[in-house]
Amino acid sequence: GESVGLHLPTLSVQEGDNSIINCAYSNSASDYFIWYKQESGKGPQFIIDIRSNMDKRQGQRVTVLLNKTVKHLSLQIAATQPGDSAVYFCAENKGYSTLTFGKGTMLLVSP
Amino acid sequence: EPEVTQTPSHQVTQMGQEVILRCVPISNHLYFYWYRQILGQKVEFLVSFYNNEISEKSEIFDDQFSVERPDGSNFTLKIRSTKLEDSAMYFCASTVEGSGQYFGPGTRLTVT
Repeated sequence: GESVGLHLPTLSVQEGDNSIINCAYSNSASDYFIWYKQESGKGPQFIIDIRSNMDKRQGQRVTVLLNKTVKHLSLQIAATQPGDSAVYFCAENKGYSTLTFGKGTMLLVSP
Repeated sequence: EPEVTQTPSHQVTQMGQEVILRCVPISNHLYFYWYRQILGQKVEFLVSFYNNEISEKSEIFDDQFSVERPDGSNFTLKIRSTKLEDSAMYFCASTVEGSGQYFGPGTRLTVT
């Protein structure tokens, strides 16, 4: 299977900036997408989801954009805070099948 | 807010020993999952469980692995004879129909 290794893409931002984390998904048949946040030593935490019949969904301080044409998903975090520092994963599935996780991006927020 | 819980938080075992990892999914959820994450790597699917049977499993989930829902609340993962390469974080997740999967805090399994 695909090996990620120890090196994650890293996004470094200043507190208060807006952050954009990108993800390319693999299965054009996927119809459901989720962003998870994972802090060190903890389990993935659900942030926001979107179905394939939508191209944008907003939550509190977060927005997910879906571009099915190029199989691209992004997570926008407004007014990033130090507590947002974590690894962010996108995940995809079809129906109620298993989630396939992306490689993850490490977000580092400096005060 | 309801959450998935897992016990123990850390399990150390010797190679060849059996381990049972325990999970209590969110009470009204119907679909249950086990994932694992080797240090520094992405989360990998092991198995999904619905209506008291396995609905899907990955190639990682070989004959050494089994799952059980022994009562109305617990969901367990058993590894019959652990190997060094089984060392990882193991996450349980659950969901209701059509919603995102909610993950527990994980059990760190260390095989020596």
